[in-house]
Amino acid sequence: NAGVTQTPKFQVLKTGQSMTLQCAQDMNHEYMSWYRQDPGMGLRLIHYSVGAGITDQGEVPNGYNVSRSTTEDFPLRLLSAAPSQTSVYFCASSYDQERNTEAFFGQGTRLTVV
Amino acid sequence: GESVGLHLPTLSVQEGDNSIINCAYSNSASDYFIWYKQESGKGPQFIIDIRSNMDKRQGQRVTVLLNKTVKHLSLQIAATQPGDSAVYFCAENSGPGMNDMRFGAGTRLTVKP
Repeated sequence: NAGVTQTPKFQVLKTGQSMTLQCAQDMNHEYMSWYRQDPGMGLRLIHYSVGAGITDQGEVPNGYNVSRSTTEDFPLRLLSAAPSQTSVYFCASSYDQERNTEAFFGQGTRLTVV
Repeated sequence: GESVGLHLPTLSVQEGDNSIINCAYSNSASDYFIWYKQESGKGPQFIIDIRSNMDKRQGQRVTVLLNKTVKHLSLQIAATQPGDSAVYFCAENSGPGMNDMRFGAGTRLTVKP
């Protein structure tokens, strides 16, 4: 049982490049989400999914796309990277969407856009 | 102490002492609160949670206190150990789903041996 696995751990992109951050969980959790963490700020929700085939926007969705074709995987796509997207990205999962459910986080992906 | 959206404060304590980390939340409608621990280079890890119908909840070496009157939350760590060194942040939830959760920036706790 690996929990929530994110790849890659580190990535440097040039402005305008696209890439996909991978997230996989093996706990059969329905709810998955992507956050970004910037210095001096709390985690901010980018996109989330309450189950396979269902996604929705969070607080800061612009410049990002997601899909949820399986329960296990929830990739985050950067369409055209910008320096403002330099951040640490965390994927999280929980067994349902209810707020009283413990969220499990991945180790994070540190992205730098130059 | 910490307030959602502000700079990252720091707290330094001696090993064995008790630590108190504070959090001022903003939404009076929030009724579920969580404390997370984030070690360097790792993802956040759930510590303890509390609902608004409680004012205190205890876990293993940790206690969370909630004061709804002044919208204040605190995390107390007893007999702080070097392994407790991390960033601690609170989260508040005012809606039915986890997508309604809002996170504070955190407090960096350093434990001196």
